[in-house]
Amino acid sequence: QVQLVQSGAEVRKPGASVKVSCKASGYSFTGYYIHWVRQAPGHGLEWMGWIKPNSGDTKYAQKFQGRVTMTRDTTINTAHMDLSKLRSDDTAVYYCARVVIGPWDYSMDVWGQGTTVIVSS
Amino acid sequence: DVQMTQSPSALSASVGDTVTITCRASQDIFNYLNWYQQKPGKAPNLLISDATNLKTGVPSRFSGSGYGTDFILTISSLQPEDIATYYCQQYDNLRSYTFGQGTKLEIK
Repeated sequence: QVQLVQSGAEVRKPGASVKVSCKASGYSFTGYYIHWVRQAPGHGLEWMGWIKPNSGDTKYAQKFQGRVTMTRDTTINTAHMDLSKLRSDDTAVYYCARVVIGPWDYSMDVWGQGTTVIVSS
Repeated sequence: DVQMTQSPSALSASVGDTVTITCRASQDIFNYLNWYQQKPGKAPNLLISDATNLKTGVPSRFSGSGYGTDFILTISSLQPEDIATYYCQQYDNLRSYTFGQGTKLEIK
């Protein structure tokens, strides 16, 4: 079945970096963007950006420019999100989600289970 | 950047009621609007795309309407399993996205 499976929870100190992975299965990995969305405790959803797996093209939300890097490895159908210079307010659940590549649909139809990242000294 | 304002932020209704959630965009976004449902501890789930298109498998009591700046998610005949937080999401033709603040729906 179509699924996105994310890596496990992480704990980091302020100033460190974290890398979260998202492995796709059950569909053509290069046929869909992978988006990253985060949710701080008790807060709403925040869009971070996307990567286009076939080309490696990326687009980041302005808020995260300079701190986020999205990459992919098409040999193992996996996308990664690297967030640097972590602060306590980066504590959140990070989700990956897919969006079909094409002009006919811009919705996130399949989501990963979420990865908890805790930033604490 | 387009700002999305959802209202209300919280809502309490009874089983069988009709519920409406509103999302307003700061500028014309045509029909570039999706709706998601999120239950506690779970990932969001797509309900409606392009303002009005119900995703396959989503109960027909959910519907979406609107165009331009004002959009509505309607839940007819509210069921206990509809307890969740609902988010609107806008996108543009450069594939930038913004979520509304969310509406938490509770049962009376």
